[in-house]
Amino acid sequence: DIQIMQSPSSLSASVGDRVTITCRASLSISSFLNWYQQRPGKAPKLLIYAASILQSGVSSRFSGSGSGTEFTLTISDLQPEDFATYYCQQSHSTPRTFGLGTKVEI
Amino acid sequence: EVQLVESGGGLVQPGGSLTLSCAASGFTFRSFGMTWVRQAPGKGLEWVSTITGTGIYTYYTDSVKGRFTVSRDNSKNTLSLQMNSLRAEDTAVYYCAKDSDYNSCSDYWGQGTLVTVSS
Repeated sequence: DIQIMQSPSSLSASVGDRVTITCRASLSISSFLNWYQQRPGKAPKLLIYAASILQSGVSSRFSGSGSGTEFTLTISDLQPEDFATYYCQQSHSTPRTFGLGTKVEI
Repeated sequence: EVQLVESGGGLVQPGGSLTLSCAASGFTFRSFGMTWVRQAPGKGLEWVSTITGTGIYTYYTDSVKGRFTVSRDNSKNTLSLQMNSLRAEDTAVYYCAKDSDYNSCSDYWGQGTLVTVSS
């Protein structure tokens, strides 16, 4: 199975900050890496797929990069609605493993 | 508008069974794979199972193999998850999600249904 290591597990930031979250895969997954946002009590929401493609309707403050084994999610100009938990997921093969999540707190 | 509505969750005793359903609308159901993801209380997301659009191929995480069965009825736009021999560690919110036709990501999610396994 492909393991996904996500870091950090949590971070504190302020409105207007730029934050970066990293995911590392245990072997190459090409660009089969997706990012989701989950607000408390809500279902996850797809932000970015194929490592860097912004899902329709998602703010351009979100961006993704990487390929192979190392990937990053960057949130620019952090807004109050961005305080949530973020998960990466590999969809290269089953089981489609998720990272453990990064909680972005004020 | 894509809509996914889960139902069937509830309280069940260890060793018991439960069937979850997901009613889909707003897209051509038979053309897309569908996925179940669960989230234990206070924990992260865990991929559980995926079924292809035709229903021919199914995939499971190891911890549910032999106990859970995913199926779909393309005539009724419904996804199901039959869960047998339930354990306390199966307690979670179960989400159904639509697979994208690109990159196998889950581009739309239901609101989730809570399954509690307890005596």
